[in-house]
Amino acid sequence: QKEVEQNSGPLSVPEGAIASLNCTYSDRGSQSFFWYRQYSGKSPELIMSIYSNGDKEDGRFTAQLNKASQYVSLLIRDSQPSDSATYLCAVAMEYGNKLVFGAGTILRVKS
Amino acid sequence: DAGVTQSPTHLIKTRGQQVTLRCSPKSGHDTVSWYQQALGQGPQFIFQYYEEEERQRGNFPDRFSGHQFPNYSSELNVNALLLGDSALYLCASSLRQTYNEQFFGPGTRLTVL
Repeated sequence: QKEVEQNSGPLSVPEGAIASLNCTYSDRGSQSFFWYRQYSGKSPELIMSIYSNGDKEDGRFTAQLNKASQYVSLLIRDSQPSDSATYLCAVAMEYGNKLVFGAGTILRVKS
Repeated sequence: DAGVTQSPTHLIKTRGQQVTLRCSPKSGHDTVSWYQQALGQGPQFIFQYYEEEERQRGNFPDRFSGHQFPNYSSELNVNALLLGDSALYLCASSLRQTYNEQFFGPGTRLTVL
């Protein structure tokens, strides 16, 4: 079983819709959770971090964490073509620790 | 506020050669982590440096080594290059006493022929 799993996609949504990206992790001791956006040929860019159960909102982005279900999600509201990218879920066992990444989900927003 | 910088941007080597990649962390950060990203995969952790010492290491052979300098910048060295070492090498910086938010540099694209 992979440590961090994501659906590879591609996930296609129309412009203005809500995109929902999901991630599951295997280690119950995981403490911190991150979403990175990676455009083709570029490096990952941190867009959201979440540390406790519940929702965290930042602009059009909402991260959701459920430690009991070992599940993290990212919602992108009012999706724009510029949101088309690969979204990487990353998990850390302890604060200051290495990040374990999923393989990423490709998101395509169609205008 | 300068972000994470890496050099060189691209590099082409042949099998058996050695390579050194360099990273300068974001201003105010003291921890540097190195990752390898193969095409279509998520980044894989190589190692992390803090206070000039290797603090954690991923599942990479001893051919991969590193160093951190007093100014927090870091180097990644790879010896005896293999074709499979071709990848994007990413440096991420963070502040040890925070919640581990890591910020990536632009990466170095290494091609081994």
